[in-house]
Amino acid sequence: KAGVTQTPRYLIKTRGQQVTLSCSPISGHRSVSWYQQTPGQGLQFLFEYFSETQRNKGNFPGRFSGRQFSNSRSEMNVSTLELGDSALYLCASSLGIWDGHTEAFFGQGTRLTVV
Amino acid sequence: AQSVAQPEDQVNVAEGNPLTVKCTYSVSGNPYLFWYVQYPNRGLQFLLKYITGDNLVKGSYGFEAEFNKSQTSFHLKKPSALVSDSALYFCAVRDEEADKLIFGTGTRLQVFP
Repeated sequence: KAGVTQTPRYLIKTRGQQVTLSCSPISGHRSVSWYQQTPGQGLQFLFEYFSETQRNKGNFPGRFSGRQFSNSRSEMNVSTLELGDSALYLCASSLGIWDGHTEAFFGQGTRLTVV
Repeated sequence: AQSVAQPEDQVNVAEGNPLTVKCTYSVSGNPYLFWYVQYPNRGLQFLLKYITGDNLVKGSYGFEAEFNKSQTSFHLKKPSALVSDSALYFCAVRDEEADKLIFGTGTRLQVFP
C-alpha cells in the first residue's frame, strides 16, 4: 500500500511570503503529526491532527498553522516566512492517536528554503 | 520537562566492528523510549521502542538498545556494523504530560569499509 506522501518535495520561497505544505497519510490512518527538522535542533513537534481536530500543538509562533480534511489529508501553512523557517518539514501518519505505542510512518519530507 | 540528549553529533566506526549510539533521557515517571533512523532523502523509520519489561530491546536491521534506569540511558547498539547502517539516528521519549514525542538532535553514524 502507498506510503505517506508529502508534496512538494522541494520549495524555495522569499521572506515574507506564505507557503502551504501537504501530507497524504497512509490509507485508513487518521492521525497526522508534523515536525520541523533542522541541523542542531533535531525534530521539533509542530502539531498533531486526528479526525480533523488539532490534538496538540508545539511551541511555534502563530504563523504556523495546519488543518486536516475529512479524507485525513493534512496541510500546514506558514505565513510571513522568515529565513529561520528553512527546514525539512516531516509528517507522520498513524492509525490512531500517535502516543508512541502505535507505530507512525514518516513521509520523505518537504525541504523548504527561504531566501 | 521531559527531554533526551544525544551527546555525539557523529559516530564513526569501521565495518564489522560493534557500534554504539548514545542517548540519555530525563523524564518524570516511567520512560517510553524510541529509536528512529533516517536514511538520506528518506523519512524517519522506526527501529525499536522500550515501554516496559526486559532492559535489552531488539529491533529492526539487527539493532538493539539497552535501557539503563540508574544511568538514565538508552543506548543503541549493533554487534557488527554495516556500511549500509550509515544514517542519521534519533532517540525520542514520550512526554506524557505534553502528549507528544520529543526527539533528540540526532547522531550521524558513519560506517567506513
